[in-house]
Order: sequence, then structure tokens, then C-alpha cells
Amino acid sequence: GEDVEQSLFLSVREGDSSVINCTYTDSSSTYLYWYKQEPGAGLQLLTYIFSNMDMKQDQRLTVLLNKKDKHLSLRIADTQTGDSAIYFCAETAMFSGGYNKLIFGAGTRLAVHP
Amino acid sequence: KAGVTQTPRYLIKTRGQQVTLSCSPISGHRSVSWYQQTPGQGLQFLFEYFSETQRNKGNFPGRFSGRQFSNSRSEMNVSTLELGDSALYLCASSLGTGGGSPLHFGNGTRLTVT
Repeated sequence: GEDVEQSLFLSVREGDSSVINCTYTDSSSTYLYWYKQEPGAGLQLLTYIFSNMDMKQDQRLTVLLNKKDKHLSLRIADTQTGDSAIYFCAETAMFSGGYNKLIFGAGTRLAVHP
Repeated sequence: KAGVTQTPRYLIKTRGQQVTLSCSPISGHRSVSWYQQTPGQGLQFLFEYFSETQRNKGNFPGRFSGRQFSNSRSEMNVSTLELGDSALYLCASSLGTGGGSPLHFGNGTRLTVT
């Protein structure tokens, strides 16, 4: 079956690194995504990784993928108060004719304190 | 380039009524997906449209329907509203329907059913 799990809460000090973890179940997932949701807003695409990659870096964001363990992580370097939000991990689900259905985790609420 | 636009931002309806939500995708995007977000169930896939055809449908009752127009704009309709339909409804667009076409979300329509 399809399932994505994330820890629900993470608290970090401003300037430290944040690491948000996610596990997924569908080994056929080709793409894995990270989205950010701020209060009252929709989901903002942060980054995504293809399943044949181990790592992807984009400015302060680093995504690590361990396909064997079906584990995905998002590292935010030099975390700022503006990074406070809910972060969603999502996997693509096999669907006849297309792959555009995403299975989302419950979201990790990141709180950044001074 | 303008992002995904959803209207209205807020709606208050009473049980038994019906509602229509609108979504304008990013220019050039041909796929539109709809998701429901609630505190209890998280983000759940409703349906996806591509070139005016519904390609995929989630596990929602027939009261939930949608359509896509030739300009890729989409509407979703919920008939005979129930209290449990209160949620944030998110529309997302993408270039295509493959997993490598990331979804870009609008800010959502918050529906409250009383």
C-alpha cells in the first residue's frame, strides 16, 4: 500500500540546521517531493528528487534519499524564523495512465526559536 | 508568470447546498489536480484533469465532481454539502501528468459548511 510517515514536530534554534525525515512505502515511486505550507497559504514546492539520485542540493536545502530503506530527508542549513512552517513529504503513486497523484505525509511542523 | 489562482478564497455554505470552486492553472500547464486538506485526514487526492479529460479519481463520493475547460481552467463542484466537507480545497497544476512534472499549488479555497 501507499503510505508516507513523518514526525509531527521539530523545534530548532535560529542558525542551526534542521533535518526533517520521511519514510515511504511505495518502492515504485519515481519522484519524491518536499512542500512547505505557511499559515493560510497553499503548498509551496521546495524541491524534488528522482529516485535514481542519492542527493540533491539547492542553496540551503539538501535532500538525501536512501532508496533501500525508503527514507527521505530534508536538511535546511542556517535555519531562519521565516522557515517556520509545515513541511510535507510526498511520493508519486502508480496510477494507470499517469503518475500525478501524490501521497502526502501528515506534515512536520518546524518551529524556529531565537 | 502568474501562479495558480483559486477563487473564492473563503466560502460559507449550509448543509444540503452545493458549491463550485474555480481554479486557473499556470499558463501553459495542461494538468489540473484537486486535493482536500483537513486536520483529521490530511491531504487527500480528489481528481486530476488533463486536456479536458478526467484521468484519475480519488476515493471520494460522487457528490464531488469536476471538469476542465479548453483553456485548462478547472472547476470542482460539491453537491448536497455535509459538515464533513469543511476543508481547504487545493488546486494544483503541472505541465504534464508524469511524475517528473511537479505540482504547483494555489492558495486554496477554505470551505466552511454549517
